[in-house]
Amino acid sequence: GAVVSQHPSRVICKSGTSVKIECRSLDFQATTMFWYRQFPKKSLMLMATSNEGSKATYEQGVEKDKFLINHASLTLSTLTVTSAHPEDSSFYICSATSFASGRRSGGEQYFGPGTRLTVT
Amino acid sequence: KNEVEQSPQNLTAQEGEFITINCSYSVGISALHWLQQHPGGGIVSLFMLSSGKKKHGRLIATINIQEKHSSLHITASHPRDSAVYICAVRFTGAQKLVFGQGTRLTINP
Repeated sequence: GAVVSQHPSRVICKSGTSVKIECRSLDFQATTMFWYRQFPKKSLMLMATSNEGSKATYEQGVEKDKFLINHASLTLSTLTVTSAHPEDSSFYICSATSFASGRRSGGEQYFGPGTRLTVT
Repeated sequence: KNEVEQSPQNLTAQEGEFITINCSYSVGISALHWLQQHPGGGIVSLFMLSSGKKKHGRLIATINIQEKHSSLHITASHPRDSAVYICAVRFTGAQKLVFGQGTRLTINP
């Protein structure tokens, strides 16, 4: 199956700093990437949907100025957690999919391995 | 309302047992995913279904579109199958997935 990578897999940062997480589709062109957050023993919570070349669509309650998403190419999306606080500590997961040009083809979503962020 | 319900929430079984996890959803879908997550680990996509049945090794996934129901079966279960299994649905016309609550499976040796 298709492979999606995330980097870094684990990061510890100090409060007030910014952290960038990369999500790459390694063997296909991802027209759409999704960013999720997962709290311990909870299901995934969608943060935003990112379509290549356009602004991300954020879910209700997600601060777009705090969680900056860039999807500059068909193989790379980045999530930057700005001015991180301890409550931002979480497991962040991306997924990527490809919809056929002009219509939604039902493309499978491929998930990255996740990034564990700890803010001290 | 677009909803996804999974059952059971927790399941403990002995090695070798046949396992079934169920997923029901409320309205029409484009696709249904079965996902696996080991403790502290990332998400692995096991199957994507829009109709019928798929099999991969000891895993079988079925979907009944009319009844809006899918099942994930594990034959000859093994302790390494212990994980959280998540049903996720893409409703017709939508891009994003809606997730079930997950089923925590524990297989004891």
